[in-house]
Amino acid sequence: GAVVSQHPSRVICKSGTSVKIECRSLDFQATTMFWYRQFPKQSLMLMATSNEGSKATYEQGVEKDKFLINHASLTLSTLTVTSAHPEDSSFYICSADQIGETQYFGPGTRLLVL
Amino acid sequence: AQKITQTQPGMFVQEKEAVTLDCTYDTSDPSYGLFWYKQPSSGEMIFLIYQGSYDQQNATEGRYSLNFQKARKSANLVISASQLGDSAMYFCAMRENSGGYQKVTFGTGTKLQVIP
Repeated sequence: GAVVSQHPSRVICKSGTSVKIECRSLDFQATTMFWYRQFPKQSLMLMATSNEGSKATYEQGVEKDKFLINHASLTLSTLTVTSAHPEDSSFYICSADQIGETQYFGPGTRLLVL
Repeated sequence: AQKITQTQPGMFVQEKEAVTLDCTYDTSDPSYGLFWYKQPSSGEMIFLIYQGSYDQQNATEGRYSLNFQKARKSANLVISASQLGDSAMYFCAMRENSGGYQKVTFGTGTKLQVIP
């Protein structure tokens, strides 16, 4: 199947700093990428849909100024958690949409904000 | 209303037996897709199987098959000949058009434990 990478896999940062997470589709072009957040023992919650060349579409309740999404190319989307706080600690996972086929997920990024 | 419902928070199955994980969905979009993913303790989401709303036949991928009953809006996952490595969380998901863009919703998941 298609491969999606995420970097970094784990990050620990101090409260108030910003963290950037990259999501890359390695062997296909993804016009749409999705960003999810998953708390322990819970399901994935869609945060936003990232479309190449246009603004991301955020789900209700997700602060667009806090979670900045940039879909710079057909193979790269970035999520920046700005001014991170301990409550932002979570597992962030991206997926890339292959047109007409399934979504493929990245391995996820575990963020811990101290 | 829940878009995706998985009513089994946990399931046990004997090794080498078959197991069915339930999933029901709700959508008004005539064109949608249904997915099953496996999430082991490592956290990665592993794609298992996909069923399109217009697909006439039930999807199969190796030991995985999807029992698609469109009228009932159910998309149960059947795992045949369970293996110890199948122990994991299993999520059902649906992709549909929402407000002009594609949206994917996940169920709450089923934790499957395979017993030796």
